[in-house]
Amino acid sequence: EAEVAQSPRYKITEKSQAVAFWCDPISGHATLYWYRQILGQGPELLVQFQDESVVDDSQLPKDRFSAERLKGVDSTLKIQPAELGDSAMYLCASSPAGWWGNEQFFGPGTRLTVL
Amino acid sequence: EDKVVQSPLSLVVHEGDTVTLNCSYEVTNFRSLLWYKQEKKAPTFLFMLTSSGIEKKSGRLSSILDKKELFSILNITATQTGDSAVYLCAVGPGGAQKLVFGQGTRLTINP
Repeated sequence: EAEVAQSPRYKITEKSQAVAFWCDPISGHATLYWYRQILGQGPELLVQFQDESVVDDSQLPKDRFSAERLKGVDSTLKIQPAELGDSAMYLCASSPAGWWGNEQFFGPGTRLTVL
Repeated sequence: EDKVVQSPLSLVVHEGDTVTLNCSYEVTNFRSLLWYKQEKKAPTFLFMLTSSGIEKKSGRLSSILDKKELFSILNITATQTGDSAVYLCAVGPGGAQKLVFGQGTRLTINP
């Protein structure tokens, strides 16, 4: 069964360092999402791609976060510099083109701890 | 601002009990409501609801949507310890396919 892949699964870093997360969506899924989930809360959308284009990045802290999906397939989310408040689970999800508010398929997530 | 509110935030019951989890929403444009189960990893899909009054059922889990009153419930009957998880409700307001999640209900089933 096709799955969304993410790496690394866990990352511990010190504040002010740079971190990067990678996501490979299910093959053929045009839409890719990055969510941040703080402990005890629901996921919050950071950025959404349709193919290689950003559709929504209104909640992305652009002074320190960046995201790209250069060839419209896999994607990288970067934080530089990391802050203590960035400690969270970072989830990647994908959905096929043309799905409106429908099921999104989640990867296993990257748990980030900033010390 | 789109908002999804779940209640209760936490629930502890004994194995065999029946539980009802609630989700209310306020969104500009509504297309679908989704329920996910999250154990110590990524959310896994349970149900998607788009029409009022039509119950979706999978084993001991069922869910229904009321688009007039803007809420949904998730029922779990004959609960088992494996049902212990955080249950997330999400709403797709349409347009750019964005899902807005509630804060989740942490369900604990004690043997």
